[in-house]
Amino acid sequence: EVQLLESGGGLVQPGGSLRLSCAASGFTFTSYAMTWVRQAPGKGLDWVSTISGSGDRTYYADSVKGRFTISRDNSKNTLYLHMNSLRTEDTAVYYCAKWVAVIPAGDPFDYWGQGTLVTVSS
Amino acid sequence: YVLSQPPSVSVAPGKTARITCGGNNIGREKVHWYQQKAGQAPVLILHYHNDRPSGIPERFSGSKSGNTATLTIARVEAGDEADYYCQVWDTSSDHVVFGGGTKLTVL
Repeated sequence: EVQLLESGGGLVQPGGSLRLSCAASGFTFTSYAMTWVRQAPGKGLDWVSTISGSGDRTYYADSVKGRFTISRDNSKNTLYLHMNSLRTEDTAVYYCAKWVAVIPAGDPFDYWGQGTLVTVSS
Repeated sequence: YVLSQPPSVSVAPGKTARITCGGNNIGREKVHWYQQKAGQAPVLILHYHNDRPSGIPERFSGSKSGNTATLTIARVEAGDEADYYCQVWDTSSDHVVFGGGTKLTVL
C-alpha cells in the first residue's frame, strides 16, 4: 500500500525558514518523480515544486523560485521541501504527491499525502 | 498557461453534472481530474482525460475538444459533493497547472 506522510509544518514568522519532509512507502521511491502542492485556507490547489526520480531535475513555481528548494534522499525514501524567506502568503496545507512516471511530463499524481499545515505569521 | 473552471455547479441527485475546464488548445493536452472532499486530500479520478484509476466508478467520464475539457458525472449521488480540479503539464514552462477548482453541490 502506497503511503505518503508529511511532517515539519508549524508556525513560523515572516522571513523565517522551515523544512518539510514526506516519508514514502509501498513503492519503489527512486522510480517516480515527486511533487509538492499547497492549498491556502479556502483556496484551490497550487503547484509548488517537482523533482525527478533520480533527483537530477527540479522544477519550481515562479512564486517560490529562489526561496524554496526541493530535494530527496532515495536511501531514506524521503522527499523534502526547504522553505526560506517565508511570507504570509505561503500559509497553506502542503501536500506531497507521487507522479506516475520517473520524469515529470504530461502525467498525473496518483497518490497524495494528507498534508501538513504551514502558518506564516508574526 | 491558464485553466479556467466555473466556481460552482449544482445538480439534483440522479442527474448529470458537467464541469468544464477551459484552456488554450486543451484538446491537445493530457488532462487529469482530481476530487477533493471537505477536509481530505485530493484523489485522482480521471487521467489522460478519460481513463479511470482502479476503484473510480464508471459514472465519472471525461471528454475534451478544442479549448474545453469536460468532466461528466452521471447519476450524481450525495457523496459526489466535493471540489473538482483539472490539471495539465505545461510543456512550454515545465510547470504543473491546476484549474481554479469547481465546487459541486448536490441539491
